[in-house]
Amino acid sequence: DVKVTQSSRYLVKRTGEKVFLECVQDMDHENMFWYRQDPGLGLRLIYFSYDVKMKEKGDIPEGYSVSREKKERFSLILESASTNQTSMYLCASKELSLDTQYFGPGTRLTVL
Amino acid sequence: GENVEQHPSTLSVQEGDSAVIKCTYSDSASNYFPWYKQELGKRPQLIIDIRSNVGEKKDQRIAVTLNKTAKHFSLHITETQPEDSAVYFCAASWDSGNTPLVFGKGTRLSVIA
Repeated sequence: DVKVTQSSRYLVKRTGEKVFLECVQDMDHENMFWYRQDPGLGLRLIYFSYDVKMKEKGDIPEGYSVSREKKERFSLILESASTNQTSMYLCASKELSLDTQYFGPGTRLTVL
Repeated sequence: GENVEQHPSTLSVQEGDSAVIKCTYSDSASNYFPWYKQELGKRPQLIIDIRSNVGEKKDQRIAVTLNKTAKHFSLHITETQPEDSAVYFCAASWDSGNTPLVFGKGTRLSVIA
């Protein structure tokens, strides 16, 4: 059974803080993704990675960066958190040659 | 790039009735169309998908239809039950390898007992 885990379910940070969101998958998946989910806006892709040390910008990369030093781990970094980054963040992974994308449980981030 | 429109944004049905959610896509090269269900407080999970070489796919009470000419696809849920209440997302991509999915904005389905 595929397992995608995220480091925190809930996180509260202050404006200007550096924030790290961690995602780990245990199925040796090549592709990993970070989305943010906001009411009425659906799932918007921030960044994705199809291999270690590889990253591609998604639709809304501004204010975010990512790191993929190991195949199983994909980190989302908010260099200087702002209130408009308050959101639910979802990580996902998939095997390169298969279709199904598996999501983590999400991290609800509040920036005060 | 691809753009996916999803309608309606909210849908209420009586238990036992059918529910239909529709999506349109813009990129004629898209060939993979999954549907995800997200129950309250939980992660999205794939419930059914279809590829462009197939017009319809069914799995028990859920079915997906695809019209490539019109560039739209639909999710059909028959004999709805309270546990079908959730947010449903459609998505599209043209390659199941490295191309990421583009999601619709979601439909909140409420099944009233």
